[in-house]
Amino acid sequence: DAGVTQSPTHLIKTRGQQVTLRCSPKSGHDTVSWYQQALGQGPQFIFQYYEEEERQRGNFPDRFSGHQFPNYSSELNVNALLLGDSALYLCASRKQGGGGYTFGSGTRLTVV
Amino acid sequence: KNEVEQSPQNLTAQEGEFITINCSYSVGISALHWLQQHPGGGIVSLFMLSSGKKKHGRLIATINIQEKHSSLHITASHPRDSAVYICAVRGIYGGSQGNLIFGKGTKLSVKP
Repeated sequence: DAGVTQSPTHLIKTRGQQVTLRCSPKSGHDTVSWYQQALGQGPQFIFQYYEEEERQRGNFPDRFSGHQFPNYSSELNVNALLLGDSALYLCASRKQGGGGYTFGSGTRLTVV
Repeated sequence: KNEVEQSPQNLTAQEGEFITINCSYSVGISALHWLQQHPGGGIVSLFMLSSGKKKHGRLIATINIQEKHSSLHITASHPRDSAVYICAVRGIYGGSQGNLIFGKGTKLSVKP
């Protein structure tokens, strides 16, 4: 049973570009959350998707957007990349209504 | 002040030592998670607690809801336990409802 799968694992982008990160949740999970983890810090909540809608959002600008597909997979899009967007982006899934989280291995984004 | 505080930030131990990592939080929670993060980023969920105590192998996690405090203990520590241990709480009020709020992590290094 596959856990949470994220792609790509590593990515290098130039300032001002746009990036799309992808996440496939664990089988049976329907809720996907995205987190940004800067070096040496704990993860920060970006947003959560359930039933193809953004349900909650953390303190991130509109440059960060997302999508959830009917198969529960999700994308995180970041526009107009800044150097400060360089971080590990983590996806976590769970079953709405209860249960624990399963985390992916993350996508390491470097903006140069 | 962060909503989730961990101590210590860094911990070096000799193989075989008993280790304790502490977590204090200031928000209402429905559950507390202890997570393990190895270099490279992937996060593994160790425990999810809402009360009392849980044990898995050499790991023990406790939580005191009244005092808003949790501890993670590692008995007979081993070099393979070296990792960053992160405490995360699932909020129940306001913008944090249903989402994880993370501590900054405790970096543990166990020397042979």
